[in-house]
Amino acid sequence: QIQLHESGPGLVEPSETLSLTCTVSGASINSITHFYYWGWIRQPPGKGLEWIGNVDYGGSSYHNPSLKGRVTISQDTSKNHFSLDLKSVTAADTAVYFCARGMSSSGFDSWGQGTLVSVSS
Amino acid sequence: DIQMTQSPSSLSASEGDRVTITCRTNQSISMYLSWYQQKAGQAPKLLISVASTLQSGVPSRFSGSGSGTDFSLTISSLQPEDFATYYCQQSYTTQWTFGQGTKVEI
Repeated sequence: QIQLHESGPGLVEPSETLSLTCTVSGASINSITHFYYWGWIRQPPGKGLEWIGNVDYGGSSYHNPSLKGRVTISQDTSKNHFSLDLKSVTAADTAVYFCARGMSSSGFDSWGQGTLVSVSS
Repeated sequence: DIQMTQSPSSLSASEGDRVTITCRTNQSISMYLSWYQQKAGQAPKLLISVASTLQSGVPSRFSGSGSGTDFSLTISSLQPEDFATYYCQQSYTTQWTFGQGTKVEI
């Protein structure tokens, strides 16, 4: 049974970098058995879901162009986790951040519980 | 970029009603369309993938259809536990997109 768990600071100051880690258990993030993507999705309070980006089993990453190059998604196969760095944050980046596993043919089939990150001084 | 238009943004319905939510894209995505259900304070739950494949454990009152640019999610007989927000999502390109969501209320 796969489980994903987000971790990181719950409060980030404006203009700083938001950094989160998603630890995966029950599956290997670099498995080539299935072509999985490991993704980050966020949801501002009271609003809809926004795809941030994915990293695939080989370490290639793909980002939402609306985030204008502020996003870095990477993986650490030795720790079986993947990470999100979002630079130059503002209050608009306040959201619940989810990590998830997906496939292009099936969407995101497993999700973490989400973690609230607030941007404030 | 693939843009997604989901409608309606909200709807009011009663238990037992048949409900249909639509999702339209600005270019063809074949059948690379998923539907999710999200309840307050919870992570989204995948209901349907590749436009019409019901995930294991999802009640058969949920169904999906469509291909190309026009898709729909239908709940044949709304149950109390179905009151939630529903999202479509495309995975046709390497840049995925979610619809804006449809809140199903009593």
